[in-house]
Amino acid sequence: AQKITQTQPGMFVQEKEAVTLDCTYDTSDPSYGLFWYKQPSSGEMIFLIYQGSYDQQNATEGRYSLNFQKARKSANLVISASQLGDSAMYFCAMREPPSGNTPLVFGKGTRLSVIA
Amino acid sequence: GAGVSQSPRYKVAKRGQDVALRCDPISGHVSLFWYQQALGQGPEFLTYFQNEAQLDKSGLPSDRFFAERPEGSVSTLKIQRTQQEDSAVYLCASSSPSRNTEAFFGQGTRLTVV
Repeated sequence: AQKITQTQPGMFVQEKEAVTLDCTYDTSDPSYGLFWYKQPSSGEMIFLIYQGSYDQQNATEGRYSLNFQKARKSANLVISASQLGDSAMYFCAMREPPSGNTPLVFGKGTRLSVIA
Repeated sequence: GAGVSQSPRYKVAKRGQDVALRCDPISGHVSLFWYQQALGQGPEFLTYFQNEAQLDKSGLPSDRFFAERPEGSVSTLKIQRTQQEDSAVYLCASSSPSRNTEAFFGQGTRLTVV
């Protein structure tokens, strides 16, 4: 069974608008971490934002925020004020537990295109 | 270095050829991971090192894949007798012991087997 599901293969957004990229996850472990990474055409995976399963508040990092709905097992990424440079692949990932010695499990990704 | 460095960036191998992919992690990072990313897919875990010890190799797809990190810093992923299905981007990631939630990735090596 898929541990991370990203149902949007591609998304378009107008420059300066906000966009939400969907991610649902599946785990029975109470301790886990959720991550979003950006992968531009250069290939490097760029860390954007992290949410721990025990964190009470939704994570925010600049223009990125994570809409964490634990009961629904949902961890959507919201990008506000989209910029042309935001065009890239976006991957949701999970670690269970969230420590640095466990591998990340990735979804299939969403390709975001920002239109001028 | 400032980030995770991988070489070569691109590799074209003839089917049956052996290849070696190098990863130079961020200095001081204890944890090192290798991932394989097929075209249009998310990265998939291959193997994990903590210092020089290979603690998890459950993701290696066959015994043709071998990884090492002999001195606990630079790591090499070796693929023997390459096949067309090995064509993918191979990503390396490292993590700091003091910030053990975030993994830093290199730019990857794109392997094409012809």
